Amino acid sequence: QITLMESGPTLVKPTQTLTLTCSVSGFSLSTSRVGVGWIRQPPGKALEWLALIYWHDDKRYSPSLKSRLTVTKDTSKSQVVLTMTNMDPVDTATYFCAHTSGVVLGGFDFWGHGILVTVSS
Amino acid sequence: DIQMTQSPSSLSASVGDRVTITCRASESISTYLNWYQQKPGKAPKFLIYGASTLEGGVPSRFSGSGSGTDFALTISSLEPEDFATYYCQQSYTTPRTFGQGTRLEI
Repeated sequence: QITLMESGPTLVKPTQTLTLTCSVSGFSLSTSRVGVGWIRQPPGKALEWLALIYWHDDKRYSPSLKSRLTVTKDTSKSQVVLTMTNMDPVDTATYFCAHTSGVVLGGFDFWGHGILVTVSS
Repeated sequence: DIQMTQSPSSLSASVGDRVTITCRASESISTYLNWYQQKPGKAPKFLIYGASTLEGGVPSRFSGSGSGTDFALTISSLEPEDFATYYCQQSYTTPRTFGQGTRLEI
């Protein structure tokens, strides 16, 4: 079955760069029409879409965060990596990665458990 | 960006009630509309895609409707486990925007 798991630091200092890894299983990152997205959720707030990387390495970003985000994938390791530069306390949130495909018309059908990242000095 | 607006923001209901949550897109998204259920401390659960197709394993009391800019999620008879926050999301284009959420509470 499809699983995703986020890993990375749970505490970062302001101005530092955050690097999160999404390790996936049950599917290949090179399978046609498959993608992995990143979504975050500040405590008590709504979901916010951040980025998406497709099987053919096309990448899309939230316009408001585009200058700070980079998403890459390593198909051989079944990992997707999100980096976010210049972290600020307002970036404190639970960060999720999620699977999407053309089969479900772009919805996110499988999610990781999420990782809470706190930005504080 | 396409803006997604849900209403109401919160809703009080009882077990057995029929409830409807609406979601409006700022421009037409055809039927590229998804619904999620989220419980505290958990990842969202995928309920509906393509505006009206239930994901496997989702109870039939959930249904979705709409196209273009106006959509709805209906729960025909609330069960205790349905009390949660619900989000709509468009997958018509990027950024894949979410609604602000509807908290369904007793």
